[in-house]
Amino acid sequence: AQSVTQPDIHITVSEGASLELRCNYSYGATPYLFWYVQSPGQGLQLLLKYFSGDTLVQGIKGFEAEFKRSQSSFNLRKPSVHWSDAAEYFCAVGAYNTGTASKLTFGTGTRLQVTL
Amino acid sequence: EPEVTQTPSHQVTQMGQEVILRCVPISNHLYFYWYRQILGQKVEFLVSFYNNEISEKSEIFDDQFSVERPDGSNFTLKIRSTKLEDSAMYFCASKGLAVRETQYFGPGTRLLVL
Repeated sequence: AQSVTQPDIHITVSEGASLELRCNYSYGATPYLFWYVQSPGQGLQLLLKYFSGDTLVQGIKGFEAEFKRSQSSFNLRKPSVHWSDAAEYFCAVGAYNTGTASKLTFGTGTRLQVTL
Repeated sequence: EPEVTQTPSHQVTQMGQEVILRCVPISNHLYFYWYRQILGQKVEFLVSFYNNEISEKSEIFDDQFSVERPDGSNFTLKIRSTKLEDSAMYFCASKGLAVRETQYFGPGTRLLVL
C-alpha cells in the first residue's frame, strides 16, 4: 500500500528566508508525486508534480521539488518565502496505472507560518 | 481556466438525515473522485468513479455512502443517514483520460452534522 510521511507538522520561517518541506513516500513501483497547497478555508491547489524524467521539477509560485528515489523523498523548496505562502502544504503519491482511476494518498500536511 | 465547482459550500444537518453533495467536474474529464478531510487531519480518499461505475472505494465508503452521475455534468455524493463523525470537508476532484493527467480539486463542501 502507498503511504506518505510529512515529518514536520508546523514550520515557521521569516519572510525572505529559504524553505524546505520534507516528504517521504512508500510505494512499490514508480510513484507519481504531487505537492498541493491549501489556504485557510480553500480547496487544494496543485503546486507541482513529478511523473518521470528530470528529477527536479518546477512549479507555480516559485516552488520546486526534487525527487530522490534512493531516499524515497520528494522535498519541496522555495528560495525566498513570501508572506502569502503561509498555508498548509500536502504531499501526495498517486499510483497511475493504465485504465484505472487511481487514488491519491496524502500526507498529514505541514502548516507553514511566515513571520515578517 | 476550467475548474471543478461544488455546492453547497457549507451544509449543516441533523444526525440521521440524508445529505447530497454536488460537484460539477471539468467538462472533458472522465475520472471523478471524492475525498474528505476531517478538521485538522489529512485528506482521505473515499471513492473513484469512471464510466458510470465505482472504480475503487476506501474502507470509509460504506453502505451509507453512494455516488452518482445523474446527468452529463453533475457528480454527487449521498450520505444516507449522517453520523456525527461524517462532519468534514468533502472535496470533489476530476481528471482527464490520460494516465498522467492531474487531479483537479474543487473548493470543498464543509459538512457539519449535529
